[in-house]
Amino acid sequence: DSGVTQTPKHLITATGQRVTLRCSPRSGDLSVYWYQQSLDQGLQFLIQYYNGEERAKGNILERFSAQQFPDLHSELNLSSLELGDSALYFCASSVRPNNSPLHFGNGTRLTVT
Amino acid sequence: GQQVMQIPQYQHVQEGEDFTTYCNSSTTLSNIQWYKQRPGGHPVFLIQLVKSGEVKKQKRLTFQFGEAKKNSSLHITATQTTDVGTYFCAGEYGNKLVFGAGTILRVKS
Repeated sequence: DSGVTQTPKHLITATGQRVTLRCSPRSGDLSVYWYQQSLDQGLQFLIQYYNGEERAKGNILERFSAQQFPDLHSELNLSSLELGDSALYFCASSVRPNNSPLHFGNGTRLTVT
Repeated sequence: GQQVMQIPQYQHVQEGEDFTTYCNSSTTLSNIQWYKQRPGGHPVFLIQLVKSGEVKKQKRLTFQFGEAKKNSSLHITATQTTDVGTYFCAGEYGNKLVFGAGTILRVKS
């Protein structure tokens, strides 16, 4: 168990809808990362937060947004969903904002129909 | 943007054979990390390399970081069925940790 909690585990929704994925980092970790993993593909970096502030941005679509709250949990919001957004979304956390191992949650499997 | 190229994409070996996966970056990395993702699981951190030319071992696994800090390798000696999964390298460029595409390892018993 990595100590990172992601909810929900599975999400099935229709095109055009909006969903929110939630992540609670490992106790003591201040940095949260979001990654997208499509079928048979690698991990695409979306965004990173450190202690409530956005620290780095990857290939995150404008339809997607995220934030980290004062209690350090994070939410990833996906709107105007398209079929191609179907993927496994991982949250990871680390103690420091860089030079630090990532601890991944079990992921949220999003299916857009 | 920064990319980490990882090869091979896929490797199928007989149990007991060795396995190696390689990562290359066009620019210098601050550090490189290695992760393993079992089928249906999440990536799990294996190791981090920071120094130029660094070599680290974990039982049958040997990790190397190139002298120029642009490439790295993971070598598994005498693979076992428990080694199956996808091995990812992840290179740190400034603020970003960029993952390679991964190498899928299958082991025939």
